[in-house]
Amino acid sequence: EDKVVQSPLSLVVHEGDTVTLNCSYEVTNFRSLLWYKQEKKAPTFLFMLTSSGIEKKSGRLSSILDKKELFSILNITATQTGDSAVYLCAVGGDTGNQFYFGTGTSLTVIP
Amino acid sequence: EPEVTQTPSHQVTQMGQEVILRCVPISNHLYFYWYRQILGQKVEFLVSFYNNEISEKSEIFDDQFSVERPDGSNFTLKIRSTKLEDSAMYFCASSEAPRGSQFFGPGTRLTVL
Repeated sequence: EDKVVQSPLSLVVHEGDTVTLNCSYEVTNFRSLLWYKQEKKAPTFLFMLTSSGIEKKSGRLSSILDKKELFSILNITATQTGDSAVYLCAVGGDTGNQFYFGTGTSLTVIP
Repeated sequence: EPEVTQTPSHQVTQMGQEVILRCVPISNHLYFYWYRQILGQKVEFLVSFYNNEISEKSEIFDDQFSVERPDGSNFTLKIRSTKLEDSAMYFCASSEAPRGSQFFGPGTRLTVL
């Protein structure tokens, strides 16, 4: 069965800290991995990583994909209270359009 | 910036009633999806839709569920006879390409009493 596991489940940090969120996966014929930020409602797209794009960066957020070890990390530097959210990882295989979601990492940034 | 929209934002219904959840995907996107998230649980895939037909569906998407693109802009999810366990947030998403970045709508919270 395909599986996506995120760790830690939750994290509390102070503003200015750097955090690393992990996502490991077992998906048949991996195709792409997506990171989302979910605040009160809908997930907001952050990054997409594929075999041809294993490192992405946007401002204080960056992500890398290790296809050999089957995991990805999401880094947030100089965290702010607005970064508080649940961060979701979703992985898609080569067959079909289905993405499998992890349970998410709940990040709380304290002022 | 284009976005996926969903209506209604909250729907309350009695068990056994039919509900239709509506979505307007991003206009140049061709692939559409429905997901649900039961409170406190992970996001679960329901169905994907392309070229006016279902391309993939999960075990959750049984005979009580159906999807339709009734016109050029709307994408709907119908639940024929709602059960208590259908209470969840239902998200619509769309993407330009298959297995591409999916953009989510704000969700419809369905409460079945």
